[in-house]
Amino acid sequence: SQTIHQWPATLVQPVGSPLSLECTVEGTSNPNLYWYRQAAGRGLQLLFYSIGIDQISSEVPQNLSASRPQDRQFILSSKKLLLSDSGFYLCAWSVGGTGNYEQYFGPGTRLTVT
Amino acid sequence: AQTVTQSQPEMSVQEAETVTLSCTYDTSESDYYLFWYKQPPSRQMILVIRQEAYKQQNATENRFSVNFQKAAKSFSLKISDSQLGDAAMYFCAYRSGGSQGNLIFGKGTKLSVKP
Repeated sequence: SQTIHQWPATLVQPVGSPLSLECTVEGTSNPNLYWYRQAAGRGLQLLFYSIGIDQISSEVPQNLSASRPQDRQFILSSKKLLLSDSGFYLCAWSVGGTGNYEQYFGPGTRLTVT
Repeated sequence: AQTVTQSQPEMSVQEAETVTLSCTYDTSESDYYLFWYKQPPSRQMILVIRQEAYKQQNATENRFSVNFQKAAKSFSLKISDSQLGDAAMYFCAYRSGGSQGNLIFGKGTKLSVKP
């Protein structure tokens, strides 16, 4: 069966510090991968999605970036965090290609920028 | 652009009773999928049910069922025999057909279940 991991679970970082959140998927190959952010009391906002290694699309212009160094690894980064980057970050995967459109989410990372 | 609207920020239901959560969406596409996700206090998003737009039959998963009205662009979730564990945020989501379609979420409905 497939599993998705995210770490760290919680993170407190000062403004201006760098960020690296990691997401890995097990039990599948060539998945589509996604990063979402959920602000307090709000729905999910898609930040990045990837249909393959080095194929990453950005949905929202911001000071965040994403990379996919391996097929099942997706990393969310920032060089300098802003207060507005605080939130709950969720990674998700779906089967690549056509036919199956559900997205399955990881446990999330709660980021607080102070 | 597609939009998803959940007009009920909060709902409450008595244990063992039935509750319906509303969702409407706007799209000009004919090929799409609709989903309901549950987010309990742990905050992990859990898929509850999905509906393909080309299917006329409403999807059902145990105590969860949907009322899909394609012409009205409405996609409500009915929870029967509500249980305490059903208390959570519920998000309606839309996805375009095609492998690169991404989920568009509503703002959610917070469901409370009273014992």
